[in-house]
Amino acid sequence: DGGITQSPKYLFRKEGQNVTLSCEQNLNHDAMYWYRQDPGQGLRLIYYSQIVNDFQKGDIAEGYSVSREKKESFPLTVTSAQKNPTAFYLCASSIGVAGQGRNEQFFGPGTRLTVL
Amino acid sequence: EDQVTQSPEALRLQEGESSSLNCSYTVSGLRGLFWYRQDPGKGPEFLFTLYSAGEEKEKERLKATLTKKESFLHITAPKPEDSATYLCAVQAHGNKLVFGAGTILRVKS
Repeated sequence: DGGITQSPKYLFRKEGQNVTLSCEQNLNHDAMYWYRQDPGQGLRLIYYSQIVNDFQKGDIAEGYSVSREKKESFPLTVTSAQKNPTAFYLCASSIGVAGQGRNEQFFGPGTRLTVL
Repeated sequence: EDQVTQSPEALRLQEGESSSLNCSYTVSGLRGLFWYRQDPGKGPEFLFTLYSAGEEKEKERLKATLTKKESFLHITAPKPEDSATYLCAVQAHGNKLVFGAGTILRVKS
């Protein structure tokens, strides 16, 4: 089955800790994305990557970092600089440039991060 | 600045009571409009893509339509299992999507 997996499903962080959220896809998609979802708000883009070893900041990148060393993987690190990290984090992927402009994004199941 | 506004914020329907959700957008150069369904605690599930005004797509009890300023998601004879949050997003330049806040739909039997 092709799809996107995220782990862990729930994550608890103490103040001052960095944590890393995992995202893996086997859809052979070039583009991958990280979003943050807060109650009553739309999804907000944190970082995105259109190709291996390249990524761009989204609208709310401060306090977050990413890497894209493999096509299948796009981990997100929530650093201690992120002042309000409690949220639902969603990873997505899309076919990318090869899709000739089509950009349906497919989402993973999400990771709920709570700061204690 | 690209913007997406969804209305109503919440909608309660009786089973079988048809209705529509609205997605209004302001974007320079629309390249696509997307509808997703999201169940509580889960990731959004892709439903439809619409590319140009006048286009319509259907899936079971759902039909999405698009004009130059807005999109509607029509729900015909809904069932309780249609209860979810419905998200709308637009693609302008590049591959980035801009999402609305969503409409929470509750269908009671």
